[in-house]
Amino acid sequence: DAGVTQSPTHLIKTRGQHVTLRCSPISGHKSVSWYQQVLGQGPQFIFQYYEKEERGRGNFPDRFSARQFPNYSSELNVNALLLGDSALYLCASSLESDRGKPTGANVLTFGAGSRLTVL
Amino acid sequence: LAKTTQPISMDSYEGQEVNITCSHNNIATNDYITWYQQFPSQGPRFIIQGYKTKVTNEVASLFIPADRKSSTLSLPRVSLSDTAVYYCLVGDGGSGGYQKVTFGTGTKLQVIP
Repeated sequence: DAGVTQSPTHLIKTRGQHVTLRCSPISGHKSVSWYQQVLGQGPQFIFQYYEKEERGRGNFPDRFSARQFPNYSSELNVNALLLGDSALYLCASSLESDRGKPTGANVLTFGAGSRLTVL
Repeated sequence: LAKTTQPISMDSYEGQEVNITCSHNNIATNDYITWYQQFPSQGPRFIIQGYKTKVTNEVASLFIPADRKSSTLSLPRVSLSDTAVYYCLVGDGGSGGYQKVTFGTGTKLQVIP
């Protein structure tokens, strides 16, 4: 089985542009979450989607948006790029996100990430 | 939010056992504790998860005391390939199975030949 795949692997944009990052989860995984990792820091939660529904949102401005498609793949969009948006963007999928299940019990499988550089 | 605190870095010689402790004083009743390993320019990789007492798998052990306010990841006989950043995660409270987990700064483990 293929793991979590992300595209593109690297991209360079200029300030003010927008970017779309894509993620395909492991087959059978219905939950996808996005993280931003700035050099030297741990990943910061951006969004989680389950069954096309937003389940969680981190402390990121409205310039960040995401969606999940019927095949459970997902896109992360960032508008009006700033220099500070330069980071590794990670996508993770997990098997399920049932209500009532203890939080943190779902193991995340991460992709290799998309390295965004904003000039 | 269940914040975690770990040592910023650790050094160890090859073949030694390494123990990395994580503090999570405000862990919620339903929260699990999960450890991930990350190599440069790669996504984190799951190592082990536990709720209480001790969990062991083929790569590591996880020790959780009764009060669950801390946990210790134990890596037996480390090798150079274990050089990586190790993150301790605690599920961010609430109900509904939300995945709003919080990564801390992690512990950078350097294995020395």
